[in-house]
Amino acid sequence: GNSVTQMEGPVTLSEEAFLTINCTYTATGYPSLFWYVQYPGEGLQLLLKATKADDKGSNKGFEATYRKETTSFHLEKGSVQVSDSAVYFCALSDRAGGTSYGKLTFGQGTILTVHP
Amino acid sequence: KAGVTQTPRYLIKTRGQQVTLSCSPISGHRSVSWYQQTPGQGLQFLFEYFSETQRNKGNFPGRFSGRQFSNSRSEMNVSTLELGDSALYLCASSLASGSVNEQFFGPGTRLTVL
Repeated sequence: GNSVTQMEGPVTLSEEAFLTINCTYTATGYPSLFWYVQYPGEGLQLLLKATKADDKGSNKGFEATYRKETTSFHLEKGSVQVSDSAVYFCALSDRAGGTSYGKLTFGQGTILTVHP
Repeated sequence: KAGVTQTPRYLIKTRGQQVTLSCSPISGHRSVSWYQQTPGQGLQFLFEYFSETQRNKGNFPGRFSGRQFSNSRSEMNVSTLELGDSALYLCASSLASGSVNEQFFGPGTRLTVL
């Protein structure tokens, strides 16, 4: 079956530090890949996505590249801010048999805390 | 445009009771998915509805059920509640059923089972 593995957290950084959160996946079909962010007390917000190999998703300074050869979708940001403190989820949506369904498979989440 | 709304936001029930949670998708969205979020199991897919039909179902017991109405609003029901059903239940809507369609999440319903 499908699965997503994220690096163990929590991650604690100082403001303006470089961020990497690793994500690898296993999928049977042709997945689309996503990063979602969850702020305290809120639902999930889509941060970025990539729908095919070598695509790069980017938003708000965050980037992730769909690497089919390494089955990875690592999240990076060059300079984090205190406001980036949240829980980050890597997720995939798999297409099987040529049909797409709205089922997201999530990683376990990585808690990011950024200190001033 | 209004986002996904879920009601109620908080709910406290006792074991053995049943509960119904409601989700109103973004206007024009026809697909609604439900997820359960717990500290131990993380985010797990419950089911997806599209045009009033269940398109996909996760690995949950039959006590968990759902439905979608003609206006795309969706409800999920949990019968015979167990302590382990305590969780944040998230609803997400998208324009259509498909992996490239962004899913927009609601704030969730926090269910506590005592």
